[in-house]
Amino acid sequence: TQLLEQSPQFLSIQEGENLTVYCNSSSVFSSLQWYRQEPGEGPVLLVTVVTGGEVKKLKRLTFQFGDARKDSSLHITAAQPGDTGLYLCARQGGSNYKLTFGKGTLLTVNP
Amino acid sequence: EAEVAQSPRYKITEKSQAVAFWCDPISGHATLYWYRQILGQGPELLVQFQDESVVDDSQLPKDRFSAERLKGVDSTLKIQPAELGDSAMYLCASSLTGTGVSYEQYFGPGTRLTVT
Repeated sequence: TQLLEQSPQFLSIQEGENLTVYCNSSSVFSSLQWYRQEPGEGPVLLVTVVTGGEVKKLKRLTFQFGDARKDSSLHITAAQPGDTGLYLCARQGGSNYKLTFGKGTLLTVNP
Repeated sequence: EAEVAQSPRYKITEKSQAVAFWCDPISGHATLYWYRQILGQGPELLVQFQDESVVDDSQLPKDRFSAERLKGVDSTLKIQPAELGDSAMYLCASSLTGTGVSYEQYFGPGTRLTVT
């Protein structure tokens, strides 16, 4: 089983602070996806990274895929309370494009 | 905007009872997924349908769980009998289908199951 390890597991910060969360594996992935899940809702896809070294930006969120395609990071600039949620990384693989998720990072942004 | 619908949103049941969840995918999405998400964990795939056929049920506890998608549209996931360890969020997702192409999975709001 190709496990995805996410860190930290929990993160509580004040509004306006910057933060970075990580997703690591011992295996190489063809692509990696990041999701945000708000309480009581299903996950929503934020971005898919495919190329080693790739950087994608989504407003205040910056996603990076490691050169070796074994790790990824999500950086949030000037966090806002609306960023609160569970951030999940997932790999998609196999003939049926099955998603395998990490355990997630639970982010709380306090006003 | 089209969404994946699930019902009920919350379900409390006693152990050994039967429970069922319903999912209506986005119209036109041939692929439907059921995931289980235990508190503090990421979602885990239970079963995947392509139209009315099961594509992957390798993680479905078949002694007590069953899933069907008779007409290739909406789907039902059943647990009988429920056990305390089945308490979790049950998520349904759907996606378009293409050969050699992966499409985004859209998730419903989930059913929160509590077994007492």
